[in-house]
Amino acid sequence: AQTVTQSQPEMSVQEAETVTLSCTYDTSENNYYLFWYKQPPSRQMILVIRQEAYKQQNATENRFSVNFQKAAKSFSLKISDSQLGDTAMYFCAFMKGSTSGTYKYIFGTGTRLKVLA
Amino acid sequence: ETGVTQSPTHLIKTRGQQVTLRCSSQSGHNTVSWYQQALGQGPQFIFQYYREEENGRGNFPPRFSGLQFPNYSSELNVNALELDDSALYLCASSWGLRGGYEQYFGPGTRLTVT
Repeated sequence: AQTVTQSQPEMSVQEAETVTLSCTYDTSENNYYLFWYKQPPSRQMILVIRQEAYKQQNATENRFSVNFQKAAKSFSLKISDSQLGDTAMYFCAFMKGSTSGTYKYIFGTGTRLKVLA
Repeated sequence: ETGVTQSPTHLIKTRGQQVTLRCSSQSGHNTVSWYQQALGQGPQFIFQYYREEENGRGNFPPRFSGLQFPNYSSELNVNALELDDSALYLCASSWGLRGGYEQYFGPGTRLTVT
């Protein structure tokens, strides 16, 4: 069974600074996908960034980038130039990539990020 | 393009009662997944429907049941409510069954069981 662990329950960062959120996972699958989702206080989950396990290149979306270490099963999220709107709960999620079965997210417990003015 | 919608937004029920939560998929999506998010926790997978058939279930008892309709909207039914069922229930829609396909979440229904 796959597991996702986020070891930082809460973090804070000054506006315009950089912060890194950690995520580790455990799986025996070779083909899978990893995601970071943002859940603002309004509740709606929004995809931040996605990484395919078969790609060595780390995904980047504007101010958001990941450090994907497949051998270490580590998938951290770096937020550069933090903005007040980045304040939210961040979830790391795993999804298998095989061609049969159930395609579900396995989420970590989340990291609450607060950006300080 | 219409996003995922859920109703109601909030619901208060008494222990032992039954509840039905509703979800409308994003336009063009034929797969719906339901998740339960307890306070301060990550979402936990309940079950998934693809083209009106259940396509997998998480570790939830049979009193959690669901339906998907021909228009791909979906319902989550919970019988014999327990206090621990108090949570945010999230619906997520996607297209097809393939690893890596992003699931688009609705705003959720906050269920409180007293």
